[in-house]
This record gives sequence, structure tokens and C-alpha cells, in this order.
Amino acid sequence: QITLKESGPTLVKPTQTLTLTCTFSGFSLNTDGVGVGWVRQPPGKALEWLALIFWDDDKRYSPSLKSRLTITKDTSKNQVVLTMTNMDPADTATYYCAHRRLQLWFFDYWGHGTVVTVSS
Amino acid sequence: DIVMTQSPDSMAVSLGERASINCKSSQSLLSSTNHENFLAWYQQKPGQPPKLLIYWASTRESGVPDRISGSGSGTDFTLTISSLQAEDVAVYYCQQYYSIPPTFGQGTKLEI
Repeated sequence: QITLKESGPTLVKPTQTLTLTCTFSGFSLNTDGVGVGWVRQPPGKALEWLALIFWDDDKRYSPSLKSRLTITKDTSKNQVVLTMTNMDPADTATYYCAHRRLQLWFFDYWGHGTVVTVSS
Repeated sequence: DIVMTQSPDSMAVSLGERASINCKSSQSLLSSTNHENFLAWYQQKPGQPPKLLIYWASTRESGVPDRISGSGSGTDFTLTISSLQAEDVAVYYCQQYYSIPPTFGQGTKLEI
């Protein structure tokens, strides 16, 4: 059974760096084809893909946010970490981590999300 | 980036009636390699994460009731709920996975 859970601060100040952790179970990021991604959703708005890391440590980022994002993995802890620099109130959103269907770019398992508010 | 546009933004359907949600992509999602359309549909209920319903435009995910179906090809796709149940009230999103970055539609809110 695949599960994912996001954790991190609920409130960050503008210009600060956000660090979110996704802790997962039921699969290994050492397995060929596996990927874990991050998707966010501002209040009342649509979903936006942010980043994805593959089993081989390859990484992909949203072009519009690439300069601000870093995604890493710790396979021994079954964790994926996303950092986003220079946070702005427009980054206020629910942040989800999700498991990528093998070799494809849609997401079949999602965490429940963590709400991040950017405010001074 | 491929732009995904859904219509309508919201709709109200009576219980037992049919609901159809449209999704249009800015370029074709049909692969010449495997002849599949790289299009997925998700359902999101309030306070919950998205749930995968459909992939390859028409393949139902395990456990999804057969009253929910997907159709279409190329740039035009439809999610159909044949007989609306109360538990189908949600926001529905399409997503293309033909190219990176994967992109989502703006969502369609389905109400009774």
C-alpha cells in the first residue's frame, strides 16, 4: 500500500526559504522508473506541477519556478525534500507530494497535502 | 507549455442525470508511437487530494465506478458521468502528460 505524507511549516515570511518533506511508504525510490513529484494548489485555484525526482536522481522542474526550486531525495529515509526560495504571498497554497505512475507523467497516489501561508 | 482548457467552469446536474465535462489541449496529445492519448482525469473533493480517475484518456483506474468514463482524441476530450450520484460532487481536472511540464486544466466544479 502506497502512502505519502507532507510535512513542513504552515507559515513562512516573504523572502524566506520553504522546506517541505515528503515521507512515503509502500515503494522504493531505488526502483527503476519510480518518481515522486510535488504539485501545489493555491486556495480555490487549479493544480500546478512544481518538480519531480526520479529513482536515478534525475530531476525536472517547472520552467517558471526552476530558479527557485530544489528537489532532493534520501532513499534511506524514504523521503523527498522540496525547497523553494524567496517565498512570496502568491506562493500561499496547499502543497502535495505524489507518486508518479511508472514511466509516465501522471500521479496515481497523493499525500493529503500541507497548507503553507506566506505572510509577514 | 501545453495549455489545458476545461469547460464549463461549473455545472449543476440532477441526481441520476448525465454530466459531461470537456477538456481541450493547445496541441495534440496523441502519440504517434503508441497511438495513445496522454490525458488523465482527476476528481478532487473538498479538503481532499486529487484522485486519479482516468488515464490514456479512457482507461479507468482500478476501483473507479463504470458510470465514469473518458473519451476523445487529439485535442478534445470528455469526462462523462452517466448517472450522477451524490458522491460525485467534486471538482474535476484534466492533465496532459504528453510533454514536460505536465499541465492541468483550471478545473470544473460539479454540483447537484
